[in-house]
Amino acid sequence: QKEVEQNSGPLSVPEGAIASLNCTYSDRGSQSFFWYRQYSGKSPELIMSIYSNGDKEDGRFTAQLNKASQYVSLLIRDSQPSDSATYLCAVNPSYGKLTFGQGTILTVHP
Amino acid sequence: DTGVSQDPRHKITKRGQNVTFRCDPISEHNRLYWYRQTLGQGPEFLTYFQNEAQLEKSRLLSDRFSAERPKGSFSTLEIQRTEQGDSAMYLCASSSDGDQPQHFGDGTRLSIL
Repeated sequence: QKEVEQNSGPLSVPEGAIASLNCTYSDRGSQSFFWYRQYSGKSPELIMSIYSNGDKEDGRFTAQLNKASQYVSLLIRDSQPSDSATYLCAVNPSYGKLTFGQGTILTVHP
Repeated sequence: DTGVSQDPRHKITKRGQNVTFRCDPISEHNRLYWYRQTLGQGPEFLTYFQNEAQLEKSRLLSDRFSAERPKGSFSTLEIQRTEQGDSAMYLCASSSDGDQPQHFGDGTRLSIL
């Protein structure tokens, strides 16, 4: 079992729709969780961080965390073509290194 | 806040040569991390520093790899006797503390001929 697994892509949604990205992790002691966006050929850019169970909203983005189920998700509302990128789920199991999933490629088509 | 800076952006070298990359973290951040990313994969952890102390090294970091952060500010990552498999994007990130978000630089893309 991989330490961090993301839903297999690529994911394609129409402009204006909600994109749902999912991630599960294996280390039950993990305390901090992050979503990064990465455009082709660029470095990861932080979108959201979440530390407590429940939802955290920032603009069009909502992160959801369920530690009991070891599950993190990212919802993107009103998806735009500029949201087309690879989304990386990252888990911090020990207040140090990040462990990343393999990424989910999102395409938003007009 | 000028962000994390990495140099060079691209490095092309022949197999067997040594290469060194530099990372300047966000000024107030005491943690500095190195990751490696290959096409289609998420970044893989290599090593990290808190101030000048190297606190953890991945088993990916063979004896050909060495990293330093001598004064707790910038860091260097050196790869000796490069191999084809070293071709990747080398990413540096910094954070203010262990559970705080890590912010990445633009990376150094290494190509081994």
